[in-house]
Amino acid sequence: AQSVTQPDIHITVSEGASLELRCNYSYGATPYLFWYVQSPGQGLQLLLKYFSGDTLVQGIKGFEAEFKRSQSSFNLRKPSVHWSDAAEYFCAVGVAGGTSYGKLTFGQGTILTVHP
Amino acid sequence: EADIYQTPRYLVIGTGKKITLECSQTMGHDKMYWYQQDPGMELHLIHYSYGVNSTEKGDLSSESTVSRIRTEHFPLTLESARPSHTSQYLCASSGLRQNTEAFFGQGTRLTVV
Repeated sequence: AQSVTQPDIHITVSEGASLELRCNYSYGATPYLFWYVQSPGQGLQLLLKYFSGDTLVQGIKGFEAEFKRSQSSFNLRKPSVHWSDAAEYFCAVGVAGGTSYGKLTFGQGTILTVHP
Repeated sequence: EADIYQTPRYLVIGTGKKITLECSQTMGHDKMYWYQQDPGMELHLIHYSYGVNSTEKGDLSSESTVSRIRTEHFPLTLESARPSHTSQYLCASSGLRQNTEAFFGQGTRLTVV
């Protein structure tokens, strides 16, 4: 069965600083990978996704993520954080084949706090 | 505008009551899901459906039940609510293609007292 680990439960950065959120996954085949963001009391919004091809994917709000198969990682990055980026971020892996495709397994989430 | 809607957003209810959480989507998606999320924790899949009259249990055992009589509608029911059911419930949908992302509703925060 697939699994996702987000090692950092809580990260605090200053506004304007760079950001990297870590995500490691375990999956027996080529994964479908996602990053979602959740603001308090809201649902999840997709930031970006990786299915195949270029391992560096661009998303909304200036985010990007790099798929590294050798490290089983899909870390999320942003060069300059804005106060509005404060939220909880979830990494997820999707099942790619068989009858179970579409189901997502999520990491525990990383809460991002942004200091002015 | 294509979207996915959940009602109610917040619900406080007494133990033993029957409740139904509503989820509807206007995107024509065949696949729909219910996830349960406790505070500070990851989302766990509790139910999914790949089309009308198709429902399956997810990875996390749940006392809730679901139905899929119409493509756009995927309600979740608890016959007798208990405090242990207090959680946030998120509904999602996705298309049939394998490389497609899930779209989420805003969630229902349920508190059973």
